[in-house]
Amino acid sequence: AQKITQTQPGMFVQEKEAVTLDCTYDTSDQSYGLFWYKQPSSGEMIFLIYQGSYDEQNATEGRYSLNFQKARKSANLVISASQLGDSAMYFCAMREGNSGYALNFGKGTSLLVTP
Amino acid sequence: DVKVTQSSRYLVKRTGEKVFLECVQDMDHENMFWYRQDPGLGLRLIYFSYDVKMKEKGDIPEGYSVSREKKERFSLILESASTNQTSMYLCASSLTGMGSGELFFGEGSRLTVL
Repeated sequence: AQKITQTQPGMFVQEKEAVTLDCTYDTSDQSYGLFWYKQPSSGEMIFLIYQGSYDEQNATEGRYSLNFQKARKSANLVISASQLGDSAMYFCAMREGNSGYALNFGKGTSLLVTP
Repeated sequence: DVKVTQSSRYLVKRTGEKVFLECVQDMDHENMFWYRQDPGLGLRLIYFSYDVKMKEKGDIPEGYSVSREKKERFSLILESASTNQTSMYLCASSLTGMGSGELFFGEGSRLTVL
């Protein structure tokens, strides 16, 4: 069964607007971590943001914030004030308590920021 | 700066050939990983290692093996390459314990098997 679900294969957003990329997860563990990575066309995987399952506050890193709704098992990424350089693939990932530090990735969402 | 280096960015091999993909990290990380990335499928874990000479199967280990003789080096081996192993291969490493344990990735190795 898919542990990380990203339902939006592709998204468009206009420059300077905010965009939300959806991610839902499935785990029975109490302790887990949620990650978002960005992969531009160059192929490198760039770590954006992390949320621990016990963190009460939503994680934020600059223009990125993670909207963590534990009861709904969702961990949406919000990008504020989109820039052209935000055009990329975005992957949501989860580390479960017993996974040995490996991450389970979703299939990704392709974001295109238009002028 | 954190660095994960994959030996080859692009490789073209023939069916049946033995293929070695090398990965080196300079961060003294305990954990190392091999993923493959295919369009529409995201990243899938092939193997990982949490210590020298230790290895664990991921979700798709069939057709692959790994070697970790030194802490900084993690090799992925395709004993007999097949066309369905044409893919992008990503190596990553992470630290045990402190922090989020995010994975640091190499630039990827794009393998084409003819």
